[in-house]
Amino acid sequence: AQRVTQPEKLLSVFKGAPVELKCNYSYSGSPELFWYVQYSRQRLQLLLRHISRESIKGFTADLNKGETSFHLKKPFAQEEDSAMYYCALGCMNRDDKIIFGKGTRLHILP
Amino acid sequence: ETGVTQTPRHLVMGMTNKKSLKCEQHLGHNAMYWYKQSAKKPLELMFVYNFKEQTENNSVPSRFSPECPNSSHLFLHLHTLQPEDSALYLCASSQRGGRVTGANVLTFGAGSRLTVL
Repeated sequence: AQRVTQPEKLLSVFKGAPVELKCNYSYSGSPELFWYVQYSRQRLQLLLRHISRESIKGFTADLNKGETSFHLKKPFAQEEDSAMYYCALGCMNRDDKIIFGKGTRLHILP
Repeated sequence: ETGVTQTPRHLVMGMTNKKSLKCEQHLGHNAMYWYKQSAKKPLELMFVYNFKEQTENNSVPSRFSPECPNSSHLFLHLHTLQPEDSALYLCASSQRGGRVTGANVLTFGAGSRLTVL
């Protein structure tokens, strides 16, 4: 069965410190991985996707198929990074599913 | 209006009422989704429509009935709901189509906050 695991419900990090939000997935097909972000009072929106291999707002994520992980990283946290982050798995081979993890609330401390 | 629009934004209904949630997308996408977001659970995929055809029904109770009359509109008809159905219902759309830039990226609406008394 397809599954996305985000082990941390809340992550508090000091401003300027590195950030790593963990995401592991389970899927027998060829996965498509995404990170979505929801800032306070805003809609859920795409942050980045693995096939783009780009850095958005200083965040990067590398798909590690051996470890079935797609951790989100940023070397220096900023206060505006405080938000809810969701890892998502696209199971597009068969059934158009895009399933989400439970989310991690990132709180940047001043 | 651009993007994904959901109405109503807030809905309060009794367990015997019949109501509908509406979603409209102005992005030219060919796939639309209903998700349920409640406080204690992750975002739960409910239904997927691809080119107006339902391709996924994620074991959703029959008191939720989706309708997709065309690729721009999606409805969720509600009937005989339970208090535990109270949640934020999110609509999303995407361009289904492999791994090209922008494909399979969800654009979300603001959601419809449902309270069942």
